[in-house]
Amino acid sequence: SQQGEEDPQALSIQEGENATMNCSYKTSINNLQWYRQNSGRGLVHLILIRSNEREKHSGRLRVTLDTSKKSSSLLITASRAADTASYFCATDSKTGANNLFFGTGTRLTVIP
Amino acid sequence: KAGVTQTPRYLIKTRGQQVTLSCSPISGHRSVSWYQQTPGQGLQFLFEYFSETQRNKGNFPGRFSGRQFSNSRSEMNVSTLELGDSALYLCASSLSVVQETQYFGPGTRLLVL
Repeated sequence: SQQGEEDPQALSIQEGENATMNCSYKTSINNLQWYRQNSGRGLVHLILIRSNEREKHSGRLRVTLDTSKKSSSLLITASRAADTASYFCATDSKTGANNLFFGTGTRLTVIP
Repeated sequence: KAGVTQTPRYLIKTRGQQVTLSCSPISGHRSVSWYQQTPGQGLQFLFEYFSETQRNKGNFPGRFSGRQFSNSRSEMNVSTLELGDSALYLCASSLSVVQETQYFGPGTRLLVL
C-alpha cells in the first residue's frame, strides 16, 4: 500500500495563478520529496525536505512540512502551461532501505 | 552527465511469456531501484540493488526478479507474464544506499496481451 495520499486528485487553474497540492503520509519519515511526471514518462525530482525542516523554496516552488500532522504541501507560484503534469509526494523508509513510498498524485492542468 | 537510461522503451508481450528490462544508472551511482506504475495501484516499489546485492524487496510475487552487475547496470525479469503486469516500469538510481534523492529513467512501457 502507498504511504501517501494527495489532495486534490486533480486541479485545473489558469496560467499565472498559484497551485497548491497537499500530501499526507502515515508513518515517521526522514525526508519527503516531490516529483513531477509528464504524461506517463519518467519522474523528475523537484525538491527534498528533511523532517527537521518546516519550509523550503526552489524557484517558483515552495514546500512545507508538518511532521506533527504528517502532511506536506507543494505550492507552485505563477503557474505556466508547462507546469501541466502529475505531481507526487514520496517518503522514505525509516528502516534505512533506499526505497520510496509514493502518494497517489495530483493531476495539475494549467490552462493558457 | 548522462541520465538514467532504460531499454527498451516500449514492449508488447503475450500472456505466459517472459520479459527482461534493462536500466543503466547515472555514472557513479551504485544504488538502483525499480518501481511499477499502474493506473490502479499507482507507483509501487519492486526492489533495490546496491553493489550487486538486493537490499530490499517490495510486495510482489516471485515472478518478478532482478539483478545488478558490477558496473551497476541492472536488469529486471518478469516470468509467466499476466495481463495485470501491463505497466510502466521505472528505474531510479542514487549515489549510495543513504542517498535520498533518486533520479528516474524514462521508463519501459510494457503491454501484455
